Amino acid sequence: DAGVTQSPTHLIKTRGQQVTLRCSPISGHKSVSWYQQVLGQGPQFIFQYYEKEERGRGNFPDRFSARQFPNYSSELNVNALLLGDSALYLCASSSGQGLADYEQYFGPGTRLTVT
Amino acid sequence: QQPVQSPQAVILREGEDAVINCSSSKALYSVHWYRQKHGEAPVFLMILLKGGEQKGHEKISASFNEKKQQSSLYLTASQLSYSGTYFCGILNYGGSQGNLIFGKGTKLSVKP
Repeated sequence: DAGVTQSPTHLIKTRGQQVTLRCSPISGHKSVSWYQQVLGQGPQFIFQYYEKEERGRGNFPDRFSARQFPNYSSELNVNALLLGDSALYLCASSSGQGLADYEQYFGPGTRLTVT
Repeated sequence: QQPVQSPQAVILREGEDAVINCSSSKALYSVHWYRQKHGEAPVFLMILLKGGEQKGHEKISASFNEKKQQSSLYLTASQLSYSGTYFCGILNYGGSQGNLIFGKGTKLSVKP
């Protein structure tokens, strides 16, 4: 079975632009979470979606938004990009609704560089 | 609210043991452990739940001390493949859904 897939792999954007990152979960997984990982730090939680509804939100500005589609794939949108948004964006899927007791499977990530 | 991991880095020879600690300032609901190799995605190792339940790899062991609000990951008879950065992620008590907060990581290097 295919793992979590993300696209694109790498992306270079200019300050002020908007970006959309995409994620396809493992087949059968209904939960998708998004994380931002800055070099040398742990992943920082952005959003969790389960059955197309937002179940959790981290401490990120409203410039960050996401949605989940009927096939459980997900998109993360970031508007008005800042230099500080440069990071690896990870998507993770899991089979359960709650994050507490279900392991997450991470995708390879999208490396976003804002210049 | 971010968990504190210690040590920040550790270097081992093959066959040696290591303990990685994860502490929280708030009561814990569950602790998750992941390993990330350079340039790769984090890989699930273990979940420890309040009440003692554990899910994870058979070769990895960990403890969860609810009173002390901390967890420890035990790596015994280390192999070269154990190298990587280990992250603990926590959900605070009452937070069965929502934020999974990761620590800054512990970099483990295993030398031949």
